[in-house]
This record gives sequence, C-alpha cells and structure tokens, in this order.
Amino acid sequence: GQNIDQPTEMTATEGAIVQINCTYQTSGFNGLFWYQQHAGEAPTFLSYNVLDGLEEKGRFSSFLSRSKGYSYLLLKELQMKDSASYLCAVRGDNSGNTPLVFGKGTRLSVIA
Amino acid sequence: DGGITQSPKYLFRKEGQNVTLSCEQNLNHDAMYWYRQDPGQGLRLIYYSQIVNDFQKGDIAEGYSVSREKKESFPLTVTSAQKNPTAFYLCASSTRRDQNQPQHFGDGTRLSIL
Repeated sequence: GQNIDQPTEMTATEGAIVQINCTYQTSGFNGLFWYQQHAGEAPTFLSYNVLDGLEEKGRFSSFLSRSKGYSYLLLKELQMKDSASYLCAVRGDNSGNTPLVFGKGTRLSVIA
Repeated sequence: DGGITQSPKYLFRKEGQNVTLSCEQNLNHDAMYWYRQDPGQGLRLIYYSQIVNDFQKGDIAEGYSVSREKKESFPLTVTSAQKNPTAFYLCASSTRRDQNQPQHFGDGTRLSIL
C-alpha cells in the first residue's frame, strides 16, 4: 500500500524557522517532492530529493532519509506570504510519467 | 509562455447532468493527470495518461471518464454517476524523460452542484 503522513496544521511566527515533517511507506521509491499550495490555487513545485541528505534552495531546504522513510521541509526567515499548505509527494518508480502519490498536506499559518 | 490551461475556473452541475472539464498543455509533455482535492483530503488521482490514446484509472475513477486524442488535451467528464462531485479539480502534466521532473499543475476548476 501507499501511505504518506504529514501533520495537518502548524503555526509559526514571522521571522522564525519551521520544520514540516513527512513520513512515507510506499511500494517503491524514486524521489520525493515538496509543493506549496496557497488556498484556491494550483500547487507549485518547491524541491526534489532522491538521495539522502539536505537540498538547499534559498530560504527553503528539504531533507531525505530513505532508510527511515522520512523527509522534512525547512522554511527559514518566515514571511506572512509563506502561509499556505505544503504537500509531500512520492514517485514510486523511475519514470517521469508515473503519477505522484500525495500526502494530505500541512496547512502552515504564519503569525506576526 | 508554456503552461497548463484549465477551463472553466468555476462550473456548476445540475442533478443528472454530465459536465466536461477542459485541460490543455503546450509544454510538450507526454503524461497528463487529473486529481480531485477535497478539504482535508489532499490530492487524489482520478485518471492519468502516459501517451496519446491510452489512459489508466487512478484511485477514484468511478463516475468519471477521460479521453486522450491529442497530446495537448486531456478532458475530464464528470458523469451523473458521480454522486458527490463538489470538489476542486486539478490537471497536471509531466515529461517522461527524467524521474526528477515534477508534475506541473493548471489553476484548477471548482465544481459545485446546483
């Protein structure tokens, strides 16, 4: 079966750092994606991990541990515009044509 | 600019009516997907197509139908058999070339029952 777990909601303060965790149990693994989705809008791609370790992109970083079935998205210097849902998704095989399996998303609220 | 266009943005369906949601892409992507999003449910896969004239059922295909006659187009029909169609529908596409390529999404269609 396929199972991807994320916390439902998180709240953090403007300027702070927040870590959003994702655990997965899937029949295959060939990469993990993070997307950002503002309310009523399309998801937009943030990051991709296929090897263990940390990938950094500006204020956003993503970490992967394949042996633990675990990833996190780290957001630094939080801004009000970072209030959104963050979706974790796994690709099960090594083709770009395979559908991603999505978690239910974590709704992040950034407060002043 | 290349991208994915979904239309209409909002759609209303009467009881017993079939409605079709449009999805067009000019990214030259091989694969296209339809997802349904309900509050608190994340994205659930309805149908996907990896090449023209071929498509596969996703996790929640009942009450929906699709066609893939052209590479650029992947319309979704919500039939009267779908008893709870109210949701946000997202179309996506991707290229088969590399596993690290993300799926790109359209802006979505919000469907409601009258």
